[in-house]
Amino acid sequence: GENVEQHPSTLSVQEGDSAVIKCTYSDSASNYFPWYKQELGKRPQLIIDIRSNVGEKKDQRIAVTLNKTAKHFSLHITETQPEDSAVYFCAASKRSGGYQKVTFGTGTKLQVIP
Amino acid sequence: GAGVSQSPSNKVTEKGKDVELRCDPISGHTALYWYRQSLGQGLEFLIYFQGNSAPDKSGLPSDRFSAERTGGSVSTLTIQRTQQEDSAVYLCASSLAPRGGGGRGLDTQYFGPGTRLTVL
Repeated sequence: GENVEQHPSTLSVQEGDSAVIKCTYSDSASNYFPWYKQELGKRPQLIIDIRSNVGEKKDQRIAVTLNKTAKHFSLHITETQPEDSAVYFCAASKRSGGYQKVTFGTGTKLQVIP
Repeated sequence: GAGVSQSPSNKVTEKGKDVELRCDPISGHTALYWYRQSLGQGLEFLIYFQGNSAPDKSGLPSDRFSAERTGGSVSTLTIQRTQQEDSAVYLCASSLAPRGGGGRGLDTQYFGPGTRLTVL
């Protein structure tokens, strides 16, 4: 089955700096890659996603890149703010037998230091 | 519209008792997922429903865990003879995910607030 690895597990950055979180996946059939943000005590919420026919997608301070050949994708947050502090999960998803199968990474705890 | 809801929000039970956790997905969402999240840990997949059927139960940790979905809507996760290691937050998610093909935004999972289960 699919295996998603996520690094680093924890990340501390100064406010205003950039943060990068990297994920790799094993199943070349995966074609949808969402990223979720989970604030302390809250539910995970989708912040950005990318499909396998796209190499990069940007939404304000957040961008995601995908390298299908290498089977890795990354989340980039620029000009970090204290409210970006949270746990971030990557995921890889594919259609299997007409159904969607999603595998999550283990999460990255991001701390933005004011 | 209303998002995914779960009940109860918190459940404290004694070891050996059975518990039922409920998930109300977003109306019209055909796919429903259950995950378990232990303190400070990632999302552990438990089971996936498409309509009322469960094509993937591979994540259920033992035969004490079961789930059902009726009417293509509400789902219940039942844990029998609870153990202390069952303590965790149980999250439910739903997505449109139409059978046979997704599309932009259709595979996105929307999570509920979770049920925090504590087994004493």
